[in-house]
Amino acid sequence: DAGVTQSPTHLIKTRGQQVTLRCSPKSGHDTVSWYQQALGQGPQFIFQYYEEEERQRGNFPDRFSGHQFPNYSSELNVNALLLGDSALYLCASSSTGGSQPQHFGDGTRLSIL
Amino acid sequence: QKEVEQDPGPLSVPEGAIVSLNCTYSNSAFQYFMWYRQYSRKGPELLMYTYSSGNKEDGRFTAQVDKSSKYISLFIRDSQPSDSATYLCAMKSYSGGYQKVTFGTGTKLQVIP
Repeated sequence: DAGVTQSPTHLIKTRGQQVTLRCSPKSGHDTVSWYQQALGQGPQFIFQYYEEEERQRGNFPDRFSGHQFPNYSSELNVNALLLGDSALYLCASSSTGGSQPQHFGDGTRLSIL
Repeated sequence: QKEVEQDPGPLSVPEGAIVSLNCTYSNSAFQYFMWYRQYSRKGPELLMYTYSSGNKEDGRFTAQVDKSSKYISLFIRDSQPSDSATYLCAMKSYSGGYQKVTFGTGTKLQVIP
């Protein structure tokens, strides 16, 4: 049973560029959340997708956008990259209903030069 | 004041010791309490997931929740070098189909052989 998979594992970009990160949820899960984890910090919630719609959003600018596809996979897009966007980006999936825990992928490490 | 407070450590213990990790929180709406383990360059791995106050045991791990004091703990018995990782507490509120998960900053644990 495949868990949450993310691609790519590592990405290097320069300031001002755009990036797209991808996530496939754990089998049986339909809800995908994205988090940003800076070095030495806990994950910070970016947004959550359910039924192909953004359901909730954390305190992130609209440079951060996303999408969910009919097969529940998801993308995170970041425009106009800043040095401060360098972080580990984590995808977490869960099944419908708030009583279920989230399971995480291993993340994409994004480095901005 | 942060919603979730966690001592970042680092915490260094000898092999075989009992480890105690703790978090406090301020938001009374939190209903679910989680502990994740995160190895270097990996995503968080769910260790424990609890709903009510009290204790929950799983092998060498015991999670304790005290909602009246807004305090949660994770105990690791007979600690092993393989337990060396960062431990993240996380708390979730759920209402009307919307869930909010907030993480602590993580405590870095080193178990010395």
